[in-house]
Amino acid sequence: NAGVTQTPKFRVLKTGQSMTLLCAQDMNHEYMYWYRQDPGMGLRLIHYSVGEGTTAKGEVPDGYNVSRLKKQNFLLGLESAAPSQTSVYFCASSSGIAFFGQGTRLTVV
Amino acid sequence: KNEVEQSPQNLTAQEGEFITINCSYSVGISALHWLQQHPGGGIVSLFMLSSGKKKHGRLIATINIQEKHSSLHITASHPRDSAVYICAEGGADGLTFGKGTHLIIQP
Repeated sequence: NAGVTQTPKFRVLKTGQSMTLLCAQDMNHEYMYWYRQDPGMGLRLIHYSVGEGTTAKGEVPDGYNVSRLKKQNFLLGLESAAPSQTSVYFCASSSGIAFFGQGTRLTVV
Repeated sequence: KNEVEQSPQNLTAQEGEFITINCSYSVGISALHWLQQHPGGGIVSLFMLSSGKKKHGRLIATINIQEKHSSLHITASHPRDSAVYICAEGGADGLTFGKGTHLIIQP
């Protein structure tokens, strides 16, 4: 069982570039989440999904878009990256207990 | 929005000591979670509880709903327990996290 898999693990972007982070889970969970972790801030919710075809905003959604076209995948997009989006991004899926991906370290220069 | 506060922020202890990490929250919750973040960055769920007490190996989590307070205890601590321990509350619409407690267990 792979659990929750995020790709890529590391990425460096230039300001204004776009990218998509992919999260895949093989546990048939309905609920999926994207969080960002910044020093001194703790983890914060960006967007979440309670099922295929649904998405909702979290605490810090600005500058990000998401899609959940298939139940097992949750994509996080940055249309025009900014240095303030430098962070470590975690995807999670849940049936109550949360399972986290290994994280994506993104640097925007 | 629920506020989740943890204490202490940092804790250094000797191997074998009994460890307590505290978590308080401001409003009623659906569930309280304890997570562990390893030095390499991975996050693992340790407990989810909404009442009483849970135990897994040397780890014990308790919650007092009336006082809006939870504790994570580690008995017979070991250097491999060194990690960041994070408290969070929430349900289907996502988790609200504390800032974490950085625990170092020295041999």
